[in-house]
This record gives sequence, C-alpha cells and structure tokens, in this order.
Amino acid sequence: DIQMTQYPSTLPASVGDRVTITCRASQTISSWLAWYQQKPGKAPKLLIYKASSLQSGVPSRFSGSGSGTEFTLTISSLQPDDFATYYCQQYNSYPATFGQGTKVEIK
Amino acid sequence: QVQLVQSGAEVKKPGASVKVSCKASGYIFNKFVIQWLRQAPGQRLEWMGWINTGNGNTQFSQRFQDRVTFTSDTSASTVYMEMSSLRSADTAVYYCVRVAAALVLGPHHFDYWGQGTLVTVSS
Repeated sequence: DIQMTQYPSTLPASVGDRVTITCRASQTISSWLAWYQQKPGKAPKLLIYKASSLQSGVPSRFSGSGSGTEFTLTISSLQPDDFATYYCQQYNSYPATFGQGTKVEIK
Repeated sequence: QVQLVQSGAEVKKPGASVKVSCKASGYIFNKFVIQWLRQAPGQRLEWMGWINTGNGNTQFSQRFQDRVTFTSDTSASTVYMEMSSLRSADTAVYYCVRVAAALVLGPHHFDYWGQGTLVTVSS
C-alpha cells in the first residue's frame, strides 16, 4: 500500500495568514492526489483533485501543487471558516490511502 | 442536488453483524461507483472497497474481504454495507462516497459523501 504522510500534524495560525500543508507519498503517484477539509462531526469535503484542480464551488484562496511524491495545499489568506482538519488522499492505485490529517487551529 | 443519506447510528455487541444503508438521489444511480470508507476515533480515513451500482460487482480491501459485503438495490437507489464478526476495533464512523466520474472503476477521488454512520461495538 502507498503510505501518505502529512506535516505538520497541527498548524496554529491566525486569520489572514498564508498556510501551507505538505503531503508526501511513499512512492510516485503522478498527480493523482486529492485534498479534503473536515470539520468536527461532519463528512470531509473535496477541495482539490488531480493535485491542483479546484473543485467547483471551492474558494480560490485554496490551491494545490506538486507531482510525483511531494504535494502542498496552500490557503492564501486564512478565513475563520477554514479552521478544520485537512487530509490528502492518493488515488494512483488501490487501496486508496489517506494522510493522517493536519489540524489548522487558532493561534 | 446530489445527496447520499445514510442510516442512523448503531450499537452492537462483539461478534454481531451490522448493516448500513446509503440512499442516493439527484443523479443517475447506476452510472457512478459507490465506495465505502471508515474513520475510527482519532484515526485517518481507511478505504474499505467499492460496488459497481451498474452490475453489483464489488472489490474489497484485503483487510475486510472476509467480513464485509456490499449490495445494491437499483430500484431504491440504495447501497448497503454489511460487516460481520464485529470487534471493538470496528468502532468507527462509516462513510459511503461517490466516485467523482461516471463509469469509472479505477481509483478516484470522491465528490459526494454521506453524512456518516457511527457504529459502536461494545459489550
């Protein structure tokens, strides 16, 4: 199975900050990577797919980049609604696997 | 609008079985694969497998293939996940998710999620 590692695990930040989360795959996955946002008690929500494509309806302050084994999710200017946990997911091969999550919390 | 609505929370004893339903609406049911994931408390999401709602074919993660069954009722636009021989480690929120492209069986990302069903296994 492909292992997905995210860092940091926790990210203290303030409204207006530029935030970057990194996801590393244990082997190359081309650009087959998605990012999700999850709030407590809710299902995850798709933000980014194919490493850098923005899902319809997602604010443009979210962006993704990378290919191969190293990927980043960037929030250009953190908003109050963005405090949540973020997960990456590889879909290069089965089983689909997820990172352990990065919790963006109020500094 | 696309919706996946799951059945309610369950409490089961070790060794019992559980069946979770996922009712789809807002799109052509048999054009999109449904997959199942679970998330144990404080843990990352874990992929369980998929069902092709067009013909009922299934594929499972090796971790679950001996204990999990997926079925599909096209007339009700509903898929079911049944897990047997439950143990405390199966305590988790179970999600049905829609693959984000029609008629795709290969690995993919997920555009719509059910609200999740908490299954608690406790004696």
